[in-house]
Amino acid sequence: EVQLVESGGGLVQPGGSLRLSCAASGFTFSNYWMHWVRQVPGKGLVWVARINSAGTIANYADSLKGRFTISRDNAKNSVYLQMNSLRVEDTALYYCVRDAVGGLVDYWGQGALVTVSS
Amino acid sequence: DVVVTQSPPSLPVTLGQPASISCRSSESLVYADGKTYLSWFQQRPGQSPRRLIYEVSNRDSGVPDRFSGSGSDTDFTLKISGVEADDVGVYYCMQGKHWPSFGQGTRLQIK
Repeated sequence: EVQLVESGGGLVQPGGSLRLSCAASGFTFSNYWMHWVRQVPGKGLVWVARINSAGTIANYADSLKGRFTISRDNAKNSVYLQMNSLRVEDTALYYCVRDAVGGLVDYWGQGALVTVSS
Repeated sequence: DVVVTQSPPSLPVTLGQPASISCRSSESLVYADGKTYLSWFQQRPGQSPRRLIYEVSNRDSGVPDRFSGSGSDTDFTLKISGVEADDVGVYYCMQGKHWPSFGQGTRLQIK
């Protein structure tokens, strides 16, 4: 069974940093691209970033480039999202999501809540 | 960037009646391999999204056959043949041809 478990969410002040982690199991992690998608409570889904299976290619939503960094450790079956210079508008539930054919996604984690507030 | 537009934003449906959600892309979603890649997701209240349909019309394992996907090129539809109480939630379409993006969502509720 595919499982994706996010951790590292919490309350952070504007301008601060946070690192989200996602532990994967139930599939051969090193064979898959991985994504992060976020959702402001009560709002829609917004794609954030993706990383290739080797960890050598990363793509980001235009609005987040330069502040967020996606990385992975295939030995630990984990993907990460480093978030710097956080803004109030980054407050959201962040989902770790597995890649599917066609640049799409299939399995989702339960999400990690990030709250940016003073 | 490819823009995906869903309609309607809200869909009140009587139990047992059919429902239909539209998803339109600003560009063709036919890839170089000749296939069309569009997915539909269901997000029940308080839950993570769950994929229902992939490659336009293929149902995921465990998805009831009252859900069906159709369409081509830039126009796609998710249909529910007879809405059940369990279907309440928000439905999203997704494209991945360039940067991945989601439709704005359609909130299905029981009338």
